Amino acid sequence: EPEVTQTPSHQVTQMGQEVILRCVPISNHLYFYWYRQILGQKVEFLVSFYNNEISEKSEIFDDQFSVERPDGSNFTLKIRSTKLEDSAMYFCASSVYRQMNEKLFFGSGTQLSVL
Amino acid sequence: SQKIEQNSEALNIQEGKTATLTCNYTNYSPAYLQWYRQDPGRGPVFLLLIRENEKEKRKERLKVTFDTTLKQSLFHITASQPADSATYLCALDGGGADGLTFGKGTHLIIQP
Repeated sequence: EPEVTQTPSHQVTQMGQEVILRCVPISNHLYFYWYRQILGQKVEFLVSFYNNEISEKSEIFDDQFSVERPDGSNFTLKIRSTKLEDSAMYFCASSVYRQMNEKLFFGSGTQLSVL
Repeated sequence: SQKIEQNSEALNIQEGKTATLTCNYTNYSPAYLQWYRQDPGRGPVFLLLIRENEKEKRKERLKVTFDTTLKQSLFHITASQPADSATYLCALDGGGADGLTFGKGTHLIIQP
C-alpha cells in the first residue's frame, strides 16, 4: 500500500538554527499537510498546500515557518530560527482531494528536539 | 470557543468485551466526523468516517455513531483484542481555515 514517507525520523538542533523536515507524499495525491504533536498533547494543524501554494494555515504557522514543493515528489517544512517550544513530532499528510470527508494519510513523523 | 473532548485519557477493557469511546464537540457544525488510530511514535491512521445524515457506520468490528443533536460521536470496538490497544482520535473539519481538528485522544488498553 502506498505510504507517506518522512525524513529524518529524529532531528536534534540548537535553538536559533534552521531545520528542514522532508516528506514524500503519496504520488497521486494533490493536497499536502503538516501537523505537529507536542508530547502529551493533541495533533495540531499547521498548514495545507495545493497547486504549489498554501491553501490554509493555522495561527501556529507564523513567519518562522515555510513550506515548499521543490520538485515533483518532495514536500518540505522549514523552520527558520527554531525555539525550544518548536520541539514536537511533526507529521506530514496527504490526500487526494481537499474535502471535508477526505481521509488523510499520515507519515510516521519527524521527532524534532530543540536544545 | 470550539472544543473537541474525548471521554477519558485512558480506558482499560478486558479482552473480548466491547470498548466504547466518546467524542463530544462544542461550537462546531461538522458535516463529517472521522476516527483515527495512533500507535506510539507513529502517525494517525484513518479508521472510519461518518456523515451528519448517517446515524451509524460499521467496518468489521468497528462501529461509529453520530448524534448531531447531542453533538457526540461514539466509537465502539466489539470483541476487543490486545492488538486494539492504541490511542483513538476523533477529528472534525470545522469548515474554517484550521484543517482537520483533532481531539486529544483516548488511550485504550485491552487486557488479556
